[in-house]
Order: sequence, then C-alpha cells, then structure tokens
Amino acid sequence: ETGVTQTPRHLVMGMTNKKSLKCEQHLGHNAMYWYKQSAKKPLELMFVYSLEERVENNSVPSRFSPECPNSSHLFLHLHTLQPEDSALYLCASSQESHPGGNTGELFFGEGSRLTVL
Amino acid sequence: AQKVTQAQTEISVVEKEDVTLDCVYETRDTTYYLFWYKQPPSGELVFLIRRNSFDEQNEISGRYSWNSQKSTSSFNFTITASQVVDSAVYFCALSEATGNQFYFGTGTSLTVIP
Repeated sequence: ETGVTQTPRHLVMGMTNKKSLKCEQHLGHNAMYWYKQSAKKPLELMFVYSLEERVENNSVPSRFSPECPNSSHLFLHLHTLQPEDSALYLCASSQESHPGGNTGELFFGEGSRLTVL
Repeated sequence: AQKVTQAQTEISVVEKEDVTLDCVYETRDTTYYLFWYKQPPSGELVFLIRRNSFDEQNEISGRYSWNSQKSTSSFNFTITASQVVDSAVYFCALSEATGNQFYFGTGTSLTVIP
C-alpha cells in the first residue's frame, strides 16, 4: 500500500456535474490536507483537517466542500465548478504533535487531474 | 507577500554536472522548518529533505546536500553528479511551528540532459 492514494487520477466534468475526489492515507497520520496546483502558481492550501478539527481557507469557493469521516479518509465534493477550477488536486497527510503544531513533513498522493468543460 | 520564493523557474544541466536550486523564505517565527520536494511527471510530490531552523551545518545525504543561511533567509539544495532521473520540478516549502500551513514556492523545473 502506498502512503497516500487518491482516486480518480483523472476526472473530466461539466459545469453542472457533481463529483467527488477521494483520498486515503495509510500512514497513521492525524492531519489531512487538500491542495490545488495550477500552472505557474504556488500550491494553494484549500482545507486542513487537523486532529479532527477543520481549518478552512476562506478564499476557497463554496462549490468545493470537504468531508473527513475519519483520520484516514478525506473527500472533496465538487459541484457547479467553473473552467478555472481545472487543476491538479493534491491530497496530503502529516503527523502533528499538537493542534496547530506542524513539525512533520507532508506526504502527498499522486493527485487528481480535474478538467472542467 | 510571498513567503517562499524560487527565482529559478527552469534549469537545464548536462548529466553528471552538479546543480544547485535556490530558495528564499520569509518568516517571523524563530522556530520553523524548511523542506524540498520533488515532483516528477507522475504528479506526486515526493519529500526529499527537511531542515530545522536551529540547524547550522551543511547536510549531506547521498547525492543531495543542503544548507541554509539565516542572514540571507536562503535555503539551497544541491544535487551532485546529476542523473536523467533527477529531471522534475523541485519545490521549496516552509512550515512554521505555529499553525498548520505549509508555504510552497512556485517550483524550479530541472531538466538533466543525457
């Protein structure tokens, strides 16, 4: 089992569709993240679930909705997306020593390449 | 303001040459962590190395070496005797001890020519 697995690897959807991205980590970590990677831009943190507490990036549109049912699974629900949302969505996990205390490295999945038509 | 800056957008080297990737960071925390990640075409960001804010010595692991300078807020990463498999995009990242935000640079695309 690889450390962090993401499905699907590729997704094409129309603007009216509803889809979900899934992430699973097998590392026993207590924090999970969604990042958006667009060309020529720094990785953008979208959401963090840290020790079962959700931390939001307030700049993320509401058409992105995360769900973390347990410490090993993370979802990103997508609805009524826009073409500019096309990007590589990366899931990551880490082990935090205390709430808000990030001392460990991030372990990433291979990403879900999203194309919005 | 950008917390992590990678001024080199693309670098090309011939196989077996050494190559240094530059990174400049910005933080007010006294305790922080610096990282280098590699992203091959497959897409996964692979953790390479980590440096703590209190580390002062040059560090080496295999063909990788790295050092940071607090006076210039720089964190450089060197690949010795580069190989074609080193071709990838390399990201520098900063994590502050408070907060769960990792700040990434825009990446340096390295091409190693056989």
